[in-house]
Amino acid sequence: KAGVTQTPRYLIKTRGQQVTLSCSPISGHRSVSWYQQTPGQGLQFLFEYFSETQRNKGNFPGRFSGRQFSNSRSEMNVSTLELGDSALYLCASSETGVTNEKLFFGSGTQLSVL
Amino acid sequence: AQSVTQLGSHVSVSEGALVLLRCNYSSSVPPYLFWYVQYPNQGLQLLLKYTSAATLVKGINGFEAEFKKSETSFHLTKPSAHMSDAAEYFCAVRGRDDKIIFGKGTRLHILP
Repeated sequence: KAGVTQTPRYLIKTRGQQVTLSCSPISGHRSVSWYQQTPGQGLQFLFEYFSETQRNKGNFPGRFSGRQFSNSRSEMNVSTLELGDSALYLCASSETGVTNEKLFFGSGTQLSVL
Repeated sequence: AQSVTQLGSHVSVSEGALVLLRCNYSSSVPPYLFWYVQYPNQGLQLLLKYTSAATLVKGINGFEAEFKKSETSFHLTKPSAHMSDAAEYFCAVRGRDDKIIFGKGTRLHILP
């Protein structure tokens, strides 16, 4: 099976722009979650989707949004980019997203905001 | 609310020496605890997870972790470090609200 695929791998944007990141989960996985990784804050949970519904949400402003399609692929959108949004954005998938289930991570999208 | 603290953002050990990476958690009972590893330019991989079946959990690549409720700890160990173990290690806890909280990570350096 192919692993979790995130595109693009690198992205450079300027302040005020918006960006969309894409995540294709492992075939058969219905849960997709997103994380922001920065040197200062570490890994922070953004949100989780299961069967096209947002099931859980972290403490991020409304500029961060996401969605999941019927084929379980997910997109994350950040509007009105700020310098502090520069980070590695990781996506993870699992079969059902239950509490003790193993997460499979993609290699991430490195976003730089200038 | 749950939280995770990893003691030491950087740990250096000699090749062949014991690896000990510390993790303390705060969570409602029962906690679900995990250790993930991240190699350069890659996503995270699960090393092991605790789900209350046994307090000593064995994972991949010779790593293991012991759940100690009295100390609220879940330290990661490996008897003999290998150069390929150099990576960043993350402890994580998942509580009843299903949100997963990661520690800030410990970068493990292996000295030849």
